[in-house]
Amino acid sequence: GAVVSQHPSRVICKSGTSVKIECRSLDFQATTMFWYRQFPKKSLMLMATSNEGSKATYEQGVEKDKFLINHASLTLSTLTVTSAHPEDSSFYICSAIRQGLNGYTFGSGTRLTVV
Amino acid sequence: KQEVTQIPAALSVPEGENLVLNCSFTDSAIYNLQWFRQDPGKGLTSLLLIQSSQREQTSGRLNASLDKSSGRSTLYIAASQPGDSATYLCAVVTGTGNTPLVFGKGTRLSVIA
Repeated sequence: GAVVSQHPSRVICKSGTSVKIECRSLDFQATTMFWYRQFPKKSLMLMATSNEGSKATYEQGVEKDKFLINHASLTLSTLTVTSAHPEDSSFYICSAIRQGLNGYTFGSGTRLTVV
Repeated sequence: KQEVTQIPAALSVPEGENLVLNCSFTDSAIYNLQWFRQDPGKGLTSLLLIQSSQREQTSGRLNASLDKSSGRSTLYIAASQPGDSATYLCAVVTGTGNTPLVFGKGTRLSVIA
């Protein structure tokens, strides 16, 4: 149980375009999801907390207009990288909390390359 | 602000050796601590979860301990194998448990056959 599916696993896009990444909880309802970003050989840095039915809470330094987060249902959160630039190339990974089950479940991550 | 530190940053050992990875955190008011494994270019696999009231957890060849008062945790890997080669991440949740994980920078482990 407690499976989180993240798609796509890998995407290459042109500068200036937008990319949407989906994070789904397959067998539980996730009222809260987290989005992280990881640069090569670095640890995971929290970008934002996504709450179902409300606006996401962004960490300091993360542009909310650039990284749009939508959590419209209890099983789906999306991260849209708008007007992507090469410096947005990174590994993005989502995480969800299953209520009543301690611990966090992670998606398999999305490798974004902006060319 | 919670900070998590992992030592060493990298470790290379011969196959069969027992090893210890260290994790320390600055704020002892944690809800739980979790150890993850990450293979290159992949997501995270949860290895062990220790609640703040627990002192250790075991799974197969892995044993994680927690000393909450001193802000330390260790991950012990017995009889290491080449398949154990990966980055090991320590992460803590502070407060009530509905808050995000704070990660260390990880320890890159290489087990040489």
